[in-house]
Amino acid sequence: NAGVTQTPKFQVLKTGQSMTLQCAQDMNHNSMYWYRQDPGMGLRLIYYSASEGTTDKGEVPNGYNVSRLNKREFSLRLESAAPSQTSVYFCASTEPRFPYEQYFGPGTRLTVT
Amino acid sequence: KQEVTQIPAALSVPEGENLVLNCSFTDSAIYNLQWFRQDPGKGLTSLLLIQSSQREQTSGRLNASLDKSSGRSTLYIAASQPGDSATYLCAANTGGFKTIFGAGTRLFVKA
Repeated sequence: NAGVTQTPKFQVLKTGQSMTLQCAQDMNHNSMYWYRQDPGMGLRLIYYSASEGTTDKGEVPNGYNVSRLNKREFSLRLESAAPSQTSVYFCASTEPRFPYEQYFGPGTRLTVT
Repeated sequence: KQEVTQIPAALSVPEGENLVLNCSFTDSAIYNLQWFRQDPGKGLTSLLLIQSSQREQTSGRLNASLDKSSGRSTLYIAASQPGDSATYLCAANTGGFKTIFGAGTRLFVKA
């Protein structure tokens, strides 16, 4: 099992450009998540998908959109990148039942200039 | 609103020392408390998960405890090694899809 995979690993964008971060999991999990991690702060939830066909906003959704393409894949799109979106982005998955253990991908390091 | 705090932000210890990392949370109504390890430039690796009904979990040299009444969890690392150097994050699951993370403790174990 590869677990949770993310592409790309690194990306540099200019302000105003758009891009999509890809995430896939092979653990047959129903729920998937996108987080961002900034220096000195904990991970913050951007969006989550409880199950295929559903998505919901997390703590910091502004400037992002998501698509749950199928049970395996959950993508995060930045339509018009801003320097404030410079961060490390992590995708995670979990079964939506107790004890809700989360499994994380390796992350995408994004810089917006 | 649930808040999770980890103190200290950084810790340096000599090899072989036993150490404790602290995690506090403001709302005791949690489903679980999970400890992660993060190496520089890498993702999060789950170390231990304590369910709300449990008091502790052990894996090798690691032992995590949970005291919901006081809003505290600790991660005990026995006989620390240079390979334990990493950032350790705790996270409180407050219900289904909401997990609140601490900012982490950066651990450096000197050989």
